[in-house]
Amino acid sequence: EDKVVQSPLSLVVHEGDTVTLNCSYEVTNFRSLLWYKQEKKAPTFLFMLTSSGIEKKSGRLSSILDKKELFSILNITATQTGDSAIYLCAVVLLTGNQFYFGTGTSLTVIP
Amino acid sequence: ETGVTQSPTHLIKTRGQQVTLRCSSQSGHNTVSWYQQALGQGPQFIFQYYREEENGRGNFPPRFSGLQFPNYSSELNVNALELDDSALYLCASSPLAGELETQYFGPGTRLLVL
Repeated sequence: EDKVVQSPLSLVVHEGDTVTLNCSYEVTNFRSLLWYKQEKKAPTFLFMLTSSGIEKKSGRLSSILDKKELFSILNITATQTGDSAIYLCAVVLLTGNQFYFGTGTSLTVIP
Repeated sequence: ETGVTQSPTHLIKTRGQQVTLRCSSQSGHNTVSWYQQALGQGPQFIFQYYREEENGRGNFPPRFSGLQFPNYSSELNVNALELDDSALYLCASSPLAGELETQYFGPGTRLLVL
């Protein structure tokens, strides 16, 4: 059975801390892995990863994929209260019409 | 904010009833996917519609059904509601079928089944 597992389930940090969120997957016919941020309702897109070892960066956020070990990490440096959200990773299969989300990591950043 | 809209924003139903949720896709997008997100869980893929045909389905029973209209808007219908159907229902549109990476999510409809 295809599955996506995220850890930790929740995390509380202080402003300025650096956090690492993990996403591991076991799927057949992997195509890509995506990271989303969900603050209230609609998830918003952060990164798409398809190749191993190539880091994607956007400001204080970065992410990398390891297709051999079947996992990805999302790093957030110098965290701010506005980073408080649920972070979701999702895997797209080769067919392109199946999409599996993990359970998410709830991040709370305290001032 | 994306151009994907959903209605209603909130809904309360009782067990056994039927519900219809609506989604208008972003302009130029011909593919709509629906997701169910229970409290504390990640979204689960229900199905995808492309040019008015179902184009992929997750592990949901037949009482979850959908439609897509010629203008690419979509409906999710759930019959014989159960308490466990209480969730946030998200729709997402993408410009092409088979390219879920480019999908944009709507704000969701929160359904409560009593």
